Amino acid sequence: QKEVEQNSGPLSVPEGAIASLNCTYSDRGSQSFFWYRQYSGKSPELIMSIYSNGDKEDGRFTAQLNKASQYVSLLIRDSQPSDSATYLCAVIGSGNTGKLIFGQGTTLQVKP
Amino acid sequence: GAVVSQHPSRVICKSGTSVKIECRSLDFQATTMFWYRQFPKQSLMLMATSNEGSKATYEQGVEKDKFLINHASLTLSTLTVTSAHPEDSSFYICSARAFLGTDTQYFGPGTRLTVL
Repeated sequence: QKEVEQNSGPLSVPEGAIASLNCTYSDRGSQSFFWYRQYSGKSPELIMSIYSNGDKEDGRFTAQLNKASQYVSLLIRDSQPSDSATYLCAVIGSGNTGKLIFGQGTTLQVKP
Repeated sequence: GAVVSQHPSRVICKSGTSVKIECRSLDFQATTMFWYRQFPKQSLMLMATSNEGSKATYEQGVEKDKFLINHASLTLSTLTVTSAHPEDSSFYICSARAFLGTDTQYFGPGTRLTVL
């Protein structure tokens, strides 16, 4: 079982729709969770961090964390073609190394 | 937000030469920097963790004598690819973790290395 799992996609949504990206992790002791966006040929860009159960909103983005289910999600409201990218879920595990453990990423395509 | 720069953004070199890549945190002090490599259509692969003033910790399978890392100050880490070969051609990305109690990593823009 991979430590952090994401559906590689592609996930295709029409412009203006809500895109829902999901991620599960295996280390129950993980405390820190991140979503990064990576455009083709570019480096990852931090979208959001989340540490507590529940929802965290930032503009069109909402991160959701459920530690009991070991599940993190990212919702993108009013999706735009410019949101088309690979979304990386990353977790810092319980070993206190500070290392990010990445999922394989979900490719999102927002169609005009 | 926290800004991390990398230099150069792109480098082409001949096989057998060494290439140095710089990673700087511009508006914060970074106790820890990380070096990643990414091949086309693959996920980021952590190469090493670099702590200011101490030796880098390399991930399994990464040759420490080939990929020399120096973290001489709280704002600068360097990666030197020694005796580069075509198979070292990749996208090298650094990230920095801020000094004061956060575990968030901010990524540099990356360096694309092509070894001929």
